[in-house]
Amino acid sequence: NAGVTQTPKFRILKIGQSMTLQCAQDMNHNYMYWYRQDPGMGLKLIYYSVGAGITDKGEVPNGYNVSRSTTEDFPLRLELAAPSQTSVYFCASSSSTGYPGNTIYFGEGSWLTVV
Amino acid sequence: DAKTTQPPSMDCAEGRAANLPCNHSTISGNEYVYWYRQIHSQGPQYIIHGLKNNETNEMASLIITEDRKSSTLILPHATLRDTAVYYCIVYTDKLIFGTGTRLQVFP
Repeated sequence: NAGVTQTPKFRILKIGQSMTLQCAQDMNHNYMYWYRQDPGMGLKLIYYSVGAGITDKGEVPNGYNVSRSTTEDFPLRLELAAPSQTSVYFCASSSSTGYPGNTIYFGEGSWLTVV
Repeated sequence: DAKTTQPPSMDCAEGRAANLPCNHSTISGNEYVYWYRQIHSQGPQYIIHGLKNNETNEMASLIITEDRKSSTLILPHATLRDTAVYYCIVYTDKLIFGTGTRLQVFP
């Protein structure tokens, strides 16, 4: 199993450009999450999904959109990139909430710079 | 908002036990406590989790108070590679991270 795979790993965007961060997991997990982490700060939840076709906002959803058409994929869309979106983005997945063995698996992160 | 409170930083001498506290006074009866750590800007790494009983694995031990309002993560013999930010999380469907504790292990 590859686990949680994020692409791209690094990207530089110009202000106003759009892009999609890809996230895929091969563990048949229902729950998927997107986080951002600014330098020296903790992880903030952007959006999450409890299954295909179901998404919900997290702590900092403004400026982002998500979709969950399949169990495996959970892309994060930035429509009009702003410098404030410069951050490291982490995708994560888990099979359920809080039950023994339901470890949350994280991707390696996507470094995004908006200039 | 995060349901946990942790001290912002702690120091520990190499080879000694590191005891990291966490308060989660509003935890519900069926919510688990998870601990993760993040080394530099890598993705968070799972350490341990528990409900009400103390737990131990190859990485650490987790001590949960009887009223479940607080817990302590114990790294029995800290090494320099344990220097990281440690997050205590009460796991609901919204996986909310707090600010964590920055543990510095020194020689």
